[in-house]
Amino acid sequence: SAVISQKPSRDICQRGTSLTIQCQVDSQVTMMFWYRQQPGQSLTLIATANQGSEATYESGFVIDKFPISRPNLTFSTLTVSNMSPEDSSIYLCSVPRGQGTNTGELFFGEGSRLTVL
Amino acid sequence: GDSVTQMEGPVTLSEEAFLTINCTYTATGYPSLFWYVQYPGEGLQLLLKATKADDKGSNKGFEATYRKETTSFHLEKGSVQVSDSAVYFCALGGSARQLTFGSGTQLTVLP
Repeated sequence: SAVISQKPSRDICQRGTSLTIQCQVDSQVTMMFWYRQQPGQSLTLIATANQGSEATYESGFVIDKFPISRPNLTFSTLTVSNMSPEDSSIYLCSVPRGQGTNTGELFFGEGSRLTVL
Repeated sequence: GDSVTQMEGPVTLSEEAFLTINCTYTATGYPSLFWYVQYPGEGLQLLLKATKADDKGSNKGFEATYRKETTSFHLEKGSVQVSDSAVYFCALGGSARQLTFGSGTQLTVLP
């Protein structure tokens, strides 16, 4: 199994500021995924972080708002830019359970709970 | 598009009670179905899965059967424990990018 560490675990931010969330995995993985869980709602995939290339964003999410870095096979960051209260959510990092696989079986980090005032 | 509808919570049960959390889905094709669980203060964990019709996934005393005729994947456990208190998510998909989650059901088990 993979151990995924996220930082920060929670933060309170002011409107208009940006925050970077870090995700560290204890093994090398090809794909890393970033999800958002808004209050009382289900998880939504923001983007797939690819090592050595730009992230692949899902419909409704753009790079200017959620820039992603993937400098190596064990680490990724997600930045939430120019935050508004609507960005208050839990942001989750995840990786596939099997090396080289891409199924719905994922490991998740504990999440980063952001509150924007 | 694909969608998952879960039983609304919160659900509160006494220890040793029978648990059912309903999950129905709408999908094109024949996706895999999953139950994830999120214990307090932890990340989501895969609880069980089923990859085709009539498959039964099971783990830690929990079971769910992939019912194509009723498009359902209800989660059941015969006797819940306090340690089962968590949020349960039903999900479907064939790949990580195609994974669709339900809204989650909060379960609290009282001693």
